[in-house]
Amino acid sequence: NAGVTQTPKFRVLKTGQSMTLLCAQDMNHEYMYWYRQDPGMGLRLIHYSVGEGTTAKGEVPDGYNVSRLKKQNFLLGLESAAPSQTSVYFCASSYPTNEQFFGPGTRLTVL
Amino acid sequence: EDQVTQSPEALRLQEGESSSLNCSYTVSGLRGLFWYRQDPGKGPEFLFTLYSAGEEKEKERLKATLTKKESFLHITAPKPEDSATYLCAGSYSGGGADGLTFGKGTHLIIQP
Repeated sequence: NAGVTQTPKFRVLKTGQSMTLLCAQDMNHEYMYWYRQDPGMGLRLIHYSVGEGTTAKGEVPDGYNVSRLKKQNFLLGLESAAPSQTSVYFCASSYPTNEQFFGPGTRLTVL
Repeated sequence: EDQVTQSPEALRLQEGESSSLNCSYTVSGLRGLFWYRQDPGKGPEFLFTLYSAGEEKEKERLKATLTKKESFLHITAPKPEDSATYLCAGSYSGGGADGLTFGKGTHLIIQP
């Protein structure tokens, strides 16, 4: 099992460009999450999903959109990237109430 | 606002020198307290979940404990490979399908 995988690993964008980060899990988990990690801030929840076709906002959702068309995939979109979105993005998955398993992260720089 | 606070921010130990990392948390609504390990350039790796005061869990040189307002990660006779950032996180009722509230982490360095 690959666990949680994220694509791409690194990306550099210019302000105003758009992109989509892909998260895939092969553990048949119902719940999936997107977090961002910034120096001195800790990990913060952006959006989450409790099942295929559902999404909800987390602590810092502004500027991001998500979709969960298939149970195993959770996409995070940036429609118009801003320098404040420079961060490391982590995807995680879990069964309800259980521990979350994290992917390796995507390092995004917005110039 | 739910809060998780970790101390110290950084800790440098000699190999074999035991110590503890602290995590204080907002008590109201806590459903579970989690410990993760994070190596540079990698995602957090799950270590422990604690649900009730008095609970303890162990894994190799690590032991996690939970009181009514704090959790401790005890490291016994650490080795250089234990060097990492250790993250504490709480899961709260009403917190978005178990979305975790993380502390800022303790950066642990074990010197040979």
